[in-house]
Order: sequence, then C-alpha cells, then structure tokens
Amino acid sequence: DTGVSQNPRHKITKRGQNVTFRCDPISEHNRLYWYRQTLGQGPEFLTYFQNEAQLEKSRLLSDRFSAERPKGSFSTLEIQRTEQGDSAMYLCASSLEAGNTEAFFGQGTRLTVV
Amino acid sequence: GDSVTQMEGPVTLSEEAFLTINCTYTATGYPSLFWYVQYPGEGLQLLLKATKADDKGSNKGFEATYRKETTSFHLEKGSVQVSDSAVYFCALSDLNRDDKIIFGKGTRLHILP
Repeated sequence: DTGVSQNPRHKITKRGQNVTFRCDPISEHNRLYWYRQTLGQGPEFLTYFQNEAQLEKSRLLSDRFSAERPKGSFSTLEIQRTEQGDSAMYLCASSLEAGNTEAFFGQGTRLTVV
Repeated sequence: GDSVTQMEGPVTLSEEAFLTINCTYTATGYPSLFWYVQYPGEGLQLLLKATKADDKGSNKGFEATYRKETTSFHLEKGSVQVSDSAVYFCALSDLNRDDKIIFGKGTRLHILP
C-alpha cells in the first residue's frame, strides 16, 4: 500500500471556476477526513466519512463545497464558483476505525485561485 | 467546543539543546492526544499519541505525557538534531463525541547545526 493519495498535487484556477479534488485512502480504512490548511495555521476540519456515509460537515464548509464518497473507497471534494479565499492546502486523511487510532494523511492538494 | 492551544513559533535551537513545545487543550470529554509532525515538503505524520491520563507517548526520542490535571500534553526531547526541523502540531480526538481530529496552529522548529 502506498498510503493516502491525493490528486492533483497542485491546482491553479480562475475565480468563479469549479474544481474537484480526489483522495484515495489506504484500502482497508473506513474513515476518511478532509481538512483545509492555510499558511501558518493548523489543519481545519471540513468533513468526514464512515464508509460512504458523510457523518459531519463543518460550518466552515459553505454551500459551494461538497464532498462524496460514493462507494466507500475514494472521495472527491468539489468547490463551485471558487473564490480567492478558497486558496489553501486541502488535506485528506484516513483511519482504520473510529477514534484513538492513527490517521494517515496524504500530501495534500494546493489550490491557488487567481 | 474542543480546542488545542500550542506555543507560537518559530522556535530556534542549537543542535543537542533540550526542546519543550507547550500544548494545552480544552475538551468536555476524555480525548486522546496526539503530536503530528510535518517535515518540509512532506505530509503530516503521527509522531506520538496518548489515549488516557498519565499515559506517556514516545517516539524518535520525543516524549509527551497526558496531564489531565493541567490539561496539557507538552512535547519534549532531550537533545534535538538538525533533522528535527519541522512544524509540530498538537491535536486531540474525542472518541466519545465525534472523534474528528482538532489541531493546534502548529509550532515551527528550526535546529541550527
């Protein structure tokens, strides 16, 4: 297993465009998390899944953001009508089971909105 | 809500110096506590963890003890190396609630040779 994989690694988009990121978790992991990290800050929780069920969505996530994990394996995070404030590193993590277990992080997708 | 507060950086030390990075938390339940590390150009990695009061997590010469009475989880290392230069994040996860991981803002550590 190569760990958590995120694609693309970098994305530059014009304001107003839609973007979609993909995360492939470690294969047997049933928990999948999305975080956003801006410069000089710690990762901020966005949403997470237990298998295909989305369990929680942060109030940081506006209606322009949507995440899916249709078959309980890979996940996508879509941002519609991007704004400059969406520029950040988007991190995905997965873990084997609920709580108190190690979450493995991908290297992230860096989004720049120009 | 639950939160984590850690000392602001950057922290600059000479090689072989003693390191302490302070971390305190606020939680209504009984969280597990973590230190994650982010080396330059790499993703977040778990450094160590403790799941209950008085537990000590340790890895790569780093240690942190879960102190419920002071709600703290300070990271320590007796003799740092240049290769320890990284950003360190204190974090918590409360299994009894929603178990999402809540991170502090991170502390950048520079070790000078």
